[in-house]
Amino acid sequence: DAGITQSPRHKVTETGTPVTLRCHQTENHRYMYWYRQDPGHGLRLIHYSYGVKDTDKGEVSDGYSVSRSKTEDFLLTLESATSSQTSVYFCAISLSLGQGDTEAFFGQGTRLTVV
Amino acid sequence: KNQVEQSPQSLIILEGKNCTLQCNYTVSPFSNLRWYKQDTGRGPVSLTIMTFSENTKSNGRYTATLDADTKQSSLHITASQLSDSASYICVVRGGGGSQGNLIFGKGTKLSVKP
Repeated sequence: DAGITQSPRHKVTETGTPVTLRCHQTENHRYMYWYRQDPGHGLRLIHYSYGVKDTDKGEVSDGYSVSRSKTEDFLLTLESATSSQTSVYFCAISLSLGQGDTEAFFGQGTRLTVV
Repeated sequence: KNQVEQSPQSLIILEGKNCTLQCNYTVSPFSNLRWYKQDTGRGPVSLTIMTFSENTKSNGRYTATLDADTKQSSLHITASQLSDSASYICVVRGGGGSQGNLIFGKGTKLSVKP
């Protein structure tokens, strides 16, 4: 699992409430990613980080913000959760394999339900 | 538009049988292609990687092929086992340096029945 821990693993929250998901890694990887996975869609990138305080938007960033104040933690925040944000969220790190190749390693996922 | 299409969406086979999953992509420029296995309730795990110059690669009972000209890849599973029941996701990495975009297919859900 490349030392990736997501918390919580499951959460049910009400519409309009703020929610923060945490991704913690133990191996000092520079690149970290947040994806969401929904039926009928492939994994879609929400935000990613390429270093402390360095983040950028992905394909489906609306309604989400991220923060990375230290290398090991990448936080995903839903400022005001909506039912459309009910999903399974995966954190990933990118591991360099040399020769310009990288491999993504994923966490176990967080199942978020917004009611 | 960069896309990765997988077929079939789902597949049911009997234990011990072989099967082949398909992946077509329109990602350009192309860097590499990986097949991931995702067990229910878990994150995806890489099975194998295919680069532009490789035609076939095996990892145990899994054999991946790549035709860069037609932009097609397949994943062949031999002598299936119950533990092969999972979703298999084709992921293409576009160009743009070592952190090039990852384009995910929607996956094929494989069920192996006893």
